[in-house]
Formats: sequence, C-alpha cells, structure tokens
Amino acid sequence: QSVLTQPPSASGTPGQRVTISCSGSSSNIGSNTVNWYQQLPGTAPKLLIYSNNQRPSGVPDRFSGSKSGTSASLAISGLQSEDEADYYCAAWDDSLNGLFGGGTKLTVL
Amino acid sequence: EVQLVQSGAEVKKPGESLKISCKGSGYSFTSYWIGWVRQMPGKGLEWMGIIYPGDSDTRYSPSFQGQVTISADKSISTAYLQWSSLKASDTAMYYCARFLGELNLFVNYGMDVWGQGTTVTVSS
Repeated sequence: QSVLTQPPSASGTPGQRVTISCSGSSSNIGSNTVNWYQQLPGTAPKLLIYSNNQRPSGVPDRFSGSKSGTSASLAISGLQSEDEADYYCAAWDDSLNGLFGGGTKLTVL
Repeated sequence: EVQLVQSGAEVKKPGESLKISCKGSGYSFTSYWIGWVRQMPGKGLEWMGIIYPGDSDTRYSPSFQGQVTISADKSISTAYLQWSSLKASDTAMYYCARFLGELNLFVNYGMDVWGQGTTVTVSS
C-alpha cells in the first residue's frame, strides 16, 4: 500500500485530455514538491514533470502538472497512442524518505 | 552524453550474496546523488535509498534499511547495491538514477537520468 495514492488505471481516446491524481498528506505532498515519471512498457522510468509543474527539456507541453494542498495532478492533453504507459507520482516525506505512488496504467482506447 | 550503465542480469540462489553496479559517465559523478529503485515483477516503483558519491553520505528507506547496502567508489564513478543473503522476494528489476537537487535542503528536481535496469532473479 503506497503512501501516495493514485488510481490504478485511467483511459482516454486520442485527442482527449486525461488527468491522473496523486493524493498524499501534510508530511509529504503537503510540504514537499512532486515529480512525475512515465514508464513505457519494458523501459526505465523517465522524468516527466519536476517541482510540481516544470517540464524537463524535451517533454512536450501536452504534459502538465499541478499541486494543491496534499494532492497533485498530471494532465495530458491531445492524448496520443504513444502516451500509453504507467505514470508515477513521487515526493519526499519530511524524513527525506523517497515515496512513489502506486502507479496509474494509462490506456489509449 | 550523460548516462548510467548498470551491470547485467543475475540469477542467484537464496542465501547467496550479490553486488550490482551502476557506472556513471558524461558528468561529474561526485556532484550528484544516485538513488536506487526496486520494481518487483508487475508492480510499481519503490524507493530504496540514495548515496552521494562525493562523500558517501547514504540514506535508506525504512523498508530497506538493514536489508541492502548502498555504496560508491568515486574513483571509478560507480555506485553499488548489495545483498549479503538473498531471498526469493528480492527477485525484481533494480534501477539506479541520478538525483537532481539538494537533499538536505529538501530541494527535489527529480531523477533525470536512469540506468537501463538490472534484473535479479533469486530461485532455488
């Protein structure tokens, strides 16, 4: 059971906008920044969003992140077939312990 | 090119010891923390711990404290993850990744470069 809670699955059709939530507490998301990772099948994770809403170089602006209180969200607009992957939120807790969400499997219908 | 290259797949028996490696190149290895992440078959990512190769400052997740040892040899730009006595439940993919940020200041820009992963299979 992960401390950061994500829905196990999400889906959308090409071109749609989907959001994935990540719920935590005051000792993790509430007091620290959130990062998001994308893991395509059979590959290593890739940093998608850092510091709640910043995109690393090369990440399309279709991907955006936000945080409010003890929750965070990843939004993907203009959904594409290649976005089908597992998505993980991550944050520190106040003891500098790294936390990952349980992951959300995104299916593009 | 900045990259982390991990050692190859391992097949071990319960009770055996193991040390896997993660070699950095293309950047100042001693200036960035290196984290280790476990992914059990069909499961999600789990944070194991992190090391700063510059001074070997190491932090462990409570779940992995005492179960594994993280170390680094800065002279050869390599971080390690080791077990003294493997269990079947250690069967997983293990990733190393470079951490961006200032750990002690709670500045966390995420893990931007990942190794390709090392598969560890423990079976009698």
